[in-house]
Amino acid sequence: EAGVAQSPRYKIIEKRQSVAFWCNPISGHATLYWYQQILGQGPKLLIQFQNNGVVDDSQLPKDRFSAERLKGVDSTLKIQPAKLEDSAVYLCASSVGQTNNEQFFGPGTRLTVL
Amino acid sequence: AQSVTQLDSQVPVFEEAPVELRCNYSSSVSVYLFWYVQYPNQGLQLLLKYLSGSTLVKGINGFEAEFNKSQTSFHLRKPSVHISDTAEYFCAVIPRSGSARQLTFGSGTQLTVLP
Repeated sequence: EAGVAQSPRYKIIEKRQSVAFWCNPISGHATLYWYQQILGQGPKLLIQFQNNGVVDDSQLPKDRFSAERLKGVDSTLKIQPAKLEDSAVYLCASSVGQTNNEQFFGPGTRLTVL
Repeated sequence: AQSVTQLDSQVPVFEEAPVELRCNYSSSVSVYLFWYVQYPNQGLQLLLKYLSGSTLVKGINGFEAEFNKSQTSFHLRKPSVHISDTAEYFCAVIPRSGSARQLTFGSGTQLTVLP
C-alpha cells in the first residue's frame, strides 16, 4: 500500500514570495490533515478536511495561508506572501475517517524562507 | 483544550541500555494517547497507542508504554536500545469524542543512542 505522498520535499523562497505544497493521501482515506512543524516543536494542526469539506481550520493563518481539496483526494496548501516565521516542515497526514484514531504521515516539505 | 509535556528534550543513552521517555498530559476530557517516532528527514510513524483496556501497551520495535490515569502520564520504555532507535519521539493525545478532534503533540524528545 502506497503511503502519503508529498511534494516538493524541499523549498527555499524569499520572504513575500508565494509557495504551494501538494499532498496525495493514502487511497480511500477520507480525512486529510496539514500540520506545521517548527524546528524543536511538535506538529501543529493547520487544517483538517473530511472528503472535500473543511472540518477544522481554527489554527490556519487565513490572511496568508489557504488550502483546498477540491475532489476529495489530493490537496494543496498555499502560503502567500511568505514570512520568515513560516520556515518549518509542512506535514500532510491522512486517516480512514474522523473517528479513526491512526493518522498516517507523509515525509513532509521543508520550507526555508530567507 | 489539551496539552502535552515531554519532560526531556534530549536523552542520550548507551547501546543496549534501557530507556524511558516521559510524557505527561493535561485534558478536561478523556483522551486517547499515542507515541510517534520521526527519523531524520522522514514523516511521523506510529509506535503505539492506548485506546482502552490494559494500561500497558506494546508497540513496534520493542517499545512499550504505560498509561497512568491518576498521574496523567504515558511514559515510553524500551529495555535495550539499538543505534537504529536514534530518532525524535513525540507523545500525542486526541479527545475521545467531539466534533472536531485534533491531535495535540508534545515538543518531542530526541533520543540519541551512543555506541
